[in-house]
Formats: sequence, structure tokens, C-alpha cells
Amino acid sequence: VRLEESGGGLAQPGRSLRLSCAASGFTFSTYWMHWVRQVPGKGLVWLSRINTDGSASSYADSVKGRFTISRDNARNTLYLELSSLRAEDSAVYFCARSDGFNYNGLDVWGQGTTVTVSS
Amino acid sequence: DIQMTQSPSTLSASVGDRVTITCRASRSISGYLAWYQQKPGKAPKLLIYKASNLHNGVPSRFSGSGSGTEFTLTISSLQPDDFATYYCQQYKGTFGQGTKVEIK
Repeated sequence: VRLEESGGGLAQPGRSLRLSCAASGFTFSTYWMHWVRQVPGKGLVWLSRINTDGSASSYADSVKGRFTISRDNARNTLYLELSSLRAEDSAVYFCARSDGFNYNGLDVWGQGTTVTVSS
Repeated sequence: DIQMTQSPSTLSASVGDRVTITCRASRSISGYLAWYQQKPGKAPKLLIYKASNLHNGVPSRFSGSGSGTEFTLTISSLQPDDFATYYCQQYKGTFGQGTKVEIK
């Protein structure tokens, strides 16, 4: 059972970036998926979740309208589109899964991908 | 939005100590609370779900309790591997700010 994020890197303020999270070892299409970020040395911040078929999603107020979560169950991949990037979006971004909405916690996490927003 | 407040922010303890961390929700979340352990440079690991259920493979020295707005994570006898930062999370997403357990 594995999640592997990619797509991080250096981006300029105001630009966009798409993160990916490749799932393996489990039936991806049966799990809700989440994105969480963490500024190094700071706490965890939940960003977004998406249901099993991609028809419903939720966002933290801090990223609502700028970030878009999506998934491709045929490719076993979760995405997070980051737009209108700001310096404060610089962080490590983790994907994680939950069995259902999130009543049983986030039981599998990726290793994270680092986003740096700077000119 | 539901806010989650952990206390203390930092806890100094010795191997063998009993350690308790508290998490308070700004309004009732029933029993839908999870606890995670995170070590530097690593992803968090799920310890407890639904307030008191031990995740697979988690040592029995970890336990959770509570409901409504007040929850606790207890480590019955702190081990060297337990020095880490612990986070609570309510089911709609919000994490607490974390509690760092450091060596006394």
C-alpha cells in the first residue's frame, strides 16, 4: 500500500502548479482522498478531500477558490491544482487516504512533495 | 469551522513516564477524532481513530478517550521511539496545533 506525491518544485507567485499522488497496492477507487500541507517546523493543515468517484469535494477556507482537487480512478492518481500561488503556499504537501468520509482517520500517507513559491 | 486546541504545546518527559495530551474541539464532534504521530522529515502516522480505537500495529501503550469536545491521548509508559510530535484531527479536517514530546 503506497502513495507517492510528485510535481512539487519552485513556482513564481501568481503562477500555477499541479501536484500528483500515485496510489498502488490498494483499490484506489474505493477510498476518499485528502491533501494536507505542512510548512517545515510548523503544524499540519488539512486542505481538501474528494470522494470516491470525484463527484464531491471540500476545501479549507484558506485555499478555497485557488486550489482544485481531482482524481483519475483509471490511473489511480489524485491531483491538486494550485493556482494564484502565494509565498505562504510554500510547504510540504502530503496526500492521504481515508476509509469513507474521515471517520476512521487518514491511515496511509505519502512521503510529501515540496512546493516553494518565490520569484 | 471547528477549531481544535491541543495542550500542552511541548511536553518534557522521561522514558517510562505516563504522558497525557489533551485536545479540545470548539464544538461537539461526537467521537470522530483521530491522533497521529509525526517524526521530523516523515509523514504522520495514524495512532488512534474514533477517539479510542487503536490503529493496526500501534503499541497498546497508546490509548485514547473522550467524546464531544474533550479528548485525551495517553502513553502509558513512554518509550524512546515515542519522542515525536502528536496531532489530533477532527473528522471534517482541522488538525490541532501539535504537541511535541521531548526528552526531559
